[in-house]
Amino acid sequence: GAGVSQSPSNKVTEKGKDVELRCDPISGHTALYWYRQSLGQGLEFLIYFQGNSAPDKSGLPSDRFSAERTGGSVSTLTIQRTQQEDSAVYLCASSLNTGQGGDEQYFGPGTRLTVT
Amino acid sequence: DAKTTQPPSMDCAEGRAANLPCNHSTISGNEYVYWYRQIHSQGPQYIIHGLKNNETNEMASLIITEDRKSSTLILPHATLRDTAVYYCIVRASYGNKLVFGAGTILRVKS
Repeated sequence: GAGVSQSPSNKVTEKGKDVELRCDPISGHTALYWYRQSLGQGLEFLIYFQGNSAPDKSGLPSDRFSAERTGGSVSTLTIQRTQQEDSAVYLCASSLNTGQGGDEQYFGPGTRLTVT
Repeated sequence: DAKTTQPPSMDCAEGRAANLPCNHSTISGNEYVYWYRQIHSQGPQYIIHGLKNNETNEMASLIITEDRKSSTLILPHATLRDTAVYYCIVRASYGNKLVFGAGTILRVKS
């Protein structure tokens, strides 16, 4: 079946502009996660959505970052007034989150954001 | 979530078993051990997870010590395509974020 998809695959933007990154999770997965990976760095958690619950935003680095998930499916990560330090690969993951123990996350290919 | 310790890098000959260790001495009773890998320029890929019993799937085997303070991921017949960064992660049973450390760079050589 189809995996997690993300668009665009690459995005180049000028400093100060806003960008929107899209994630389509695996159908039926109730949990959705956003991470980012800066060049040569590890993966950093940003935000987590689970069903209709309030999202866990504890990883968002500043108030310029926001995300929403419409209809429990597609998610959009928005970065306002982009800065050069926002340049990274932004990864989305989804999982079934059945609560029955063990919950593997499946990752998309990522969006490479470059802020010039 | 408990912290994990992994060697920064390992080499393995093609066709041989790759044994990747992970220490998680502060693991608590409801925490699972997960393994993911990241091949260059791709998103992380789930490999396997376990609670206390050894686990095996089509990709790998996971051996967890009886005291659960360490584990080993085994790739039985490593290929060049298994060259990647391997992450050992400890996390409560469901929900919420994965905390990735630096992982182990596995280089499979012909």
